[in-house]
Amino acid sequence: DAKTTQPNSMESNEEEPVHLPCNHSTISGTDYIHWYRQLPSQGPEYVIHGLTSNVNNRMASLAIAEDRKSSTLILHRATLRDAAVYYCILRDGNNAGNMLTFGGGTRLMVKP
Amino acid sequence: DTEVTQTPKHLVMGMTNKKSLKCEQHMGHRAMYWYKQKAKKPPELMFVYSYEKLSINESVPSRFSPECPNSSLLNLHLHALQPEDSALYLCASSQRPGTGNEAFFGQGTRLTVV
Repeated sequence: DAKTTQPNSMESNEEEPVHLPCNHSTISGTDYIHWYRQLPSQGPEYVIHGLTSNVNNRMASLAIAEDRKSSTLILHRATLRDAAVYYCILRDGNNAGNMLTFGGGTRLMVKP
Repeated sequence: DTEVTQTPKHLVMGMTNKKSLKCEQHMGHRAMYWYKQKAKKPPELMFVYSYEKLSINESVPSRFSPECPNSSLLNLHLHALQPEDSALYLCASSQRPGTGNEAFFGQGTRLTVV
């Protein structure tokens, strides 16, 4: 499986934008870029995903580099409830088993 | 209904006990997953079911036995576990395999083996 690399932790101030980077230099043409987050004592929660184009939804935006070797999850205004571990995952759209393999993730801390 | 429901939420079992974890979804998803998560670590994939058939077993010890009786249910049967098997067990589902669709996770079963 293609791997992702994320910073171990990041800190943000409340109500400011947050840019969470992810490197995936070995991404293949059929890999989707997924982001999930896990709040304390909860199961992971889907945030956003994309293939080639930038994506927006009510939770966040996903900016994908033109060569697809990196991506950035953007939280437009961080709140205290956004404090979580954020996982960037590559998901093979052709794989029959469709594995979803987690890397280390980035622990986001939000300061009031 | 976009929920994956796991029961029980908490389970304490002895090393000689047999117990089962249950997972249910009614989204029509045909791929279902079991993960194990130790404290402060990312979830580790254990098993993947695709159209009710086991498609991936990540070298999980035989004391963990998965079962998918129908497209909505996923069980994990536990027998002769060790204290190091104590962890959060997560179930997830997603639409038919071979797509890039998002996965939905349950809240997990926190298992303690004594």
